Amino acid sequence: DTGVSQDPRHKITKRGQNVTFRCDPISEHNRLYWYRQTLGQGPEFLTYFQNEAQLEKSRLLSDRFSAERPKGSFSTLEIQRTEQGDSAMYLCASSAEWGIEAFFGQGTRLTVV
Amino acid sequence: AQSVAQPEDQVNVAEGNPLTVKCTYSVSGNPYLFWYVQYPNRGLQFLLKYITGDNLVKGSYGFEAEFNKSQTSFHLKKPSALVSDFALYFCAVRANYGQNFVFGPGTRLSVLP
Repeated sequence: DTGVSQDPRHKITKRGQNVTFRCDPISEHNRLYWYRQTLGQGPEFLTYFQNEAQLEKSRLLSDRFSAERPKGSFSTLEIQRTEQGDSAMYLCASSAEWGIEAFFGQGTRLTVV
Repeated sequence: AQSVAQPEDQVNVAEGNPLTVKCTYSVSGNPYLFWYVQYPNRGLQFLLKYITGDNLVKGSYGFEAEFNKSQTSFHLKKPSALVSDFALYFCAVRANYGQNFVFGPGTRLSVLP
């Protein structure tokens, strides 16, 4: 087991472009989380999946953001019409049904220029 | 609503000395409490958790944390700091009925040789 995997690690995009990030959770973990972390801040919750169902969404997740987990395994986070304020580290985490703690990936650092 | 406070942006300690990183929390219901560490340019790594039982919990890399219900605190401690402990430390809380982790703003630990 190689832990939570995120791709890409870094993404630079022009303002207005769409970007998509992928997260592969630890196998057999049915819970998956997306967080956003800006410089000097703690991670902020974006959304949570249990299997393929998106059960909770933060108010931070504007209409430009969409997350999916179609088969209950990997997840994607898409940002449409990116803005400079979207520049941040996007973190994915997973946990088991019986687990309490979540395990994080290395993150995807997005820079919008 | 859940919240976490880490009153110190930075903690400086000499190598070999004991260290404490402070955390207080607010949550409805019984809390699950966590400490995560973030090394430079890395994702978050789980250090330890408190669910119930003994107020002193032990975790990875020689760290431990003390739960104090009356003071709603969960301070991270280590008897002897190492230079390699240089990192950002995040306290997090999760209500026992919920799934969302709420993180504090983080404390940067510097260990002076």
